[in-house]
Amino acid sequence: SQQGEEDPQALSIQEGENATMNCSYKTSINNLQWYRQNSGRGLVHLILIRSNEREKHSGRLRVTLDTSKKSSSLLITASRAADTASYFCATYNAGNMLTFGGGTRLMVKP
Amino acid sequence: EPEVTQTPSHQVTQMGQEVILRCVPISNHLYFYWYRQILGQKVEFLVSFYNNEISEKSEIFDDQFSVERPDGSNFTLKIRSTKLEDSAMYFCASTSWTEAFFGQGTRLTVV
Repeated sequence: SQQGEEDPQALSIQEGENATMNCSYKTSINNLQWYRQNSGRGLVHLILIRSNEREKHSGRLRVTLDTSKKSSSLLITASRAADTASYFCATYNAGNMLTFGGGTRLMVKP
Repeated sequence: EPEVTQTPSHQVTQMGQEVILRCVPISNHLYFYWYRQILGQKVEFLVSFYNNEISEKSEIFDDQFSVERPDGSNFTLKIRSTKLEDSAMYFCASTSWTEAFFGQGTRLTVV
């Protein structure tokens, strides 16, 4: 079964706007991670939030985690055309299998 | 910055042929992974490898697939008899527990 599921599946915004992507997961986690994938390329780690953290910032990225709702959100502020990519959340299961959600395809129009 | 490298970047093979995809993980990492991504779809876990043996594998990773760490640096994925539906991007990743570092992938096209 899929551990992480993102919504929306696709998001189109104008440059300068904020983009919010959500992720839900099913089982207990130690941490949750967000990755970015440019079209046809490998995944790049963006940010990790531990289960005892509620919010974390990194540059224009803000991640929240609500373990009671088993959900996380990724906010990209002041988006740029270069932020156009797919964004995935990922969690480890007990056996160290890193499982990805279906991803959100973000398009930022200049 | 350390990186995971994969070769080849693109492989075209005939159905039924064997292919070997190669990866050089980051040297001090402990866990190694193979993932698959069919065009436009999600990133699917295939197998994880730790301490020279398979740690976990998914339903996709059937008897046609095998992994090996033949020396101290390379990590390979072998598909014994390729099928059309094996066409996908294959990503190798390594981790020392938290964030995973991914290679740029091998695009496998089975014709």
